[in-house]
Amino acid sequence: QSALTQPASVSGSPGQSITISCSGTSADVGAYRRVSWYQQHLGKAPKLIIYNVSDRPSGISSRFSGSKSGNTASLTISGLQPEDEADYYCSSYTTRPTYVFGSGTKVTVL
Amino acid sequence: QVQVVQSGAEVKKPGAAVKVSCKTSGYAFTNCAFHWVRQAPGQSLEYMGWIIGGNGNTNYSPRFQDRVTITRDTSASTVYMDLSSLGSEDTAVYYCAVETYINGCCNFDYWGQGTLVTVSS
Repeated sequence: QSALTQPASVSGSPGQSITISCSGTSADVGAYRRVSWYQQHLGKAPKLIIYNVSDRPSGISSRFSGSKSGNTASLTISGLQPEDEADYYCSSYTTRPTYVFGSGTKVTVL
Repeated sequence: QVQVVQSGAEVKKPGAAVKVSCKTSGYAFTNCAFHWVRQAPGQSLEYMGWIIGGNGNTNYSPRFQDRVTITRDTSASTVYMDLSSLGSEDTAVYYCAVETYINGCCNFDYWGQGTLVTVSS
């Protein structure tokens, strides 16, 4: 199972919006609405920020939003803040069944 | 509040095996699924497999199918991950992630702090 494809890095200034893509196949991202996103600060464990493509767990800021079109999912961070600087990973349940993660995107706040 | 606490760092020689534990509290153990994910230095997350807390059913990623065994002790609310035939490429931080179904299926709701496994001769 190949990793889902994400851009290696995305950057933005405080207050701006950025979008991270997550490209897969019809056997994973395109198969179900079982795409989730995780934020990982340096040296820390990942944290769930989006589940079921576009839902937010309790306590997660509304600045984080998700969507999906075909085999590609996306995470948008609105009103970028310094504390958003982290690595972001998508994950998808697959038809195998198993899970696959994205290659990861480093978000830099300029 | 769900807490996930993993065992400490390990140093192993090539060819050896390692067993990492994951103790959970704050949620009904048998209502959860437990997943193992690893992260090599500077690399992405890699999925290894799961165990269902209630019935003990397991599923392993094809890449680890022959080397990994995930077990559980319901009386201790603890899950274990055994990885055998270690090589240098297995040097990584190993995470236990808990799926509580509070957000529905197929999400890693809570994560342990990670366990660094170093494979070196």
